[in-house]
Amino acid sequence: EVQLLESGGGLVQPGGSLRLSCAASGFTFSTYAMTWVRQAPGKGLEWVSTITNSGGSTYYADSVKGRFTVSRDNSKNTLYLQMNSLRADDTAVYYCAKRVVTDWYFDLWGRGTLVTVSS
Amino acid sequence: DIQMTQSPSSLSASVGDRVTITCRASQSISPYLTWYQQKPGKAPKVLIYAAFSLQSGVPSRFSGSGSGTEFSLTISSLQPEDVASYHCQQSYSAPYTFGQGTKVEIK
Repeated sequence: EVQLLESGGGLVQPGGSLRLSCAASGFTFSTYAMTWVRQAPGKGLEWVSTITNSGGSTYYADSVKGRFTVSRDNSKNTLYLQMNSLRADDTAVYYCAKRVVTDWYFDLWGRGTLVTVSS
Repeated sequence: DIQMTQSPSSLSASVGDRVTITCRASQSISPYLTWYQQKPGKAPKVLIYAAFSLQSGVPSRFSGSGSGTEFSLTISSLQPEDVASYHCQQSYSAPYTFGQGTKVEIK
């Protein structure tokens, strides 16, 4: 079955760190750029970060640049998001998503993992 | 950054009604506009890409239109299974911004 499964969310204090994982199955993971998108409670979707299929290039929203790091392990079909210096406004459901080859929209999404930043 | 503004933020319509959701971009983005459907507790899924192309497997009652800065998603005959939030997204330039979403309910 073609799917993405996120894990690693939870409650963390402001200033803390968390690493999210996204396990891919059912497609050739190493062919596709992968993305993290988040949704704060009651808000719209926000693009966070994208990594190319090889991992050679990464892209970030200004809101997370310098604090978050996206990476991937194509041998494990897994995408990661290392989140440091977390703030209350990082509280959101984090989705991983597969980017289509020829455009910057996302045709496969996971069900998300909730990150709550609170003391 | 390109701002995406959706309207309305929510709507309630009867089964069988024609429903239209609008997405306005702060600059021209043709044809780089995608519509997603997100059911409660579920992952978003693509309905329409490149402004009017129907994603494989999506019912034909969904259609997209528009160009430049104004785009629309139309459900020709609303069904109970269409209860969801709908999001537009521009893929013209980074950051790849989304609208704030439209929640569709059955009256």
